Amino acid sequence: DTAVSQTPKYLVTQMGNDKSIKCEQNLGHDTMYWYKQDSKKFLKIMFSYNNKELIINETVPNRFSPKSPDKAHLNLHINSLELGDSAVYFCASSHSRNEQFFGPGTRLTVL
Amino acid sequence: DQQVKQNSPSLSVQEGRISILNCDYTNSMFDYFLWYKKYPAEGPTFLISISSIKDKNEDGRFTVFLNKSAKHLSLHIVPSQPGDSAVYFCAASPLSGAGNNRKLIWGLGTSLAVNP
Repeated sequence: DTAVSQTPKYLVTQMGNDKSIKCEQNLGHDTMYWYKQDSKKFLKIMFSYNNKELIINETVPNRFSPKSPDKAHLNLHINSLELGDSAVYFCASSHSRNEQFFGPGTRLTVL
Repeated sequence: DQQVKQNSPSLSVQEGRISILNCDYTNSMFDYFLWYKKYPAEGPTFLISISSIKDKNEDGRFTVFLNKSAKHLSLHIVPSQPGDSAVYFCAASPLSGAGNNRKLIWGLGTSLAVNP
């Protein structure tokens, strides 16, 4: 199936740990995004990569580091996890137009 | 400061009737608007969009209306079906940044329930 996929779907971890979330798209898009949806359901962009180049970098703690090994992948690594990092993280991709296609989300719970 | 506002957190409609979801924005630099639909435990799915040069765009049962002077857009679903029950997000994109550099600014969503 052509889609945007994320792994894992659920992630429960302790404060202070380092974790990664992976995203892959096989839609042939050249732009990928990471969004965070917090407890208030507010969907906010964190990063965007176009052709492996970082083009949008919102005010996000340095503990969050995106990595794009190729156009089809955009991973999110989070260091020293904090309680406030608990949220649903969505990966998305697009090609030239504004319509973005989203992955199913990764629910991160920091204990 | 929320630049895209969906003031109704929820809406309940009878099957077969019209659903009208509203969205207001404050930034006059927005020139492209989108509606997304989201089911629980899934990512948002693109529904319909409209450019600021138009005031209406229609796709099947879904129509988006844009009133630039009022900085208001609405999504009409006619006729509403139980499968339309979901959270609907309004998003807007500013003029700054071309092509893939565009950011989407999102509303908080409106939860639509279509009752059989």
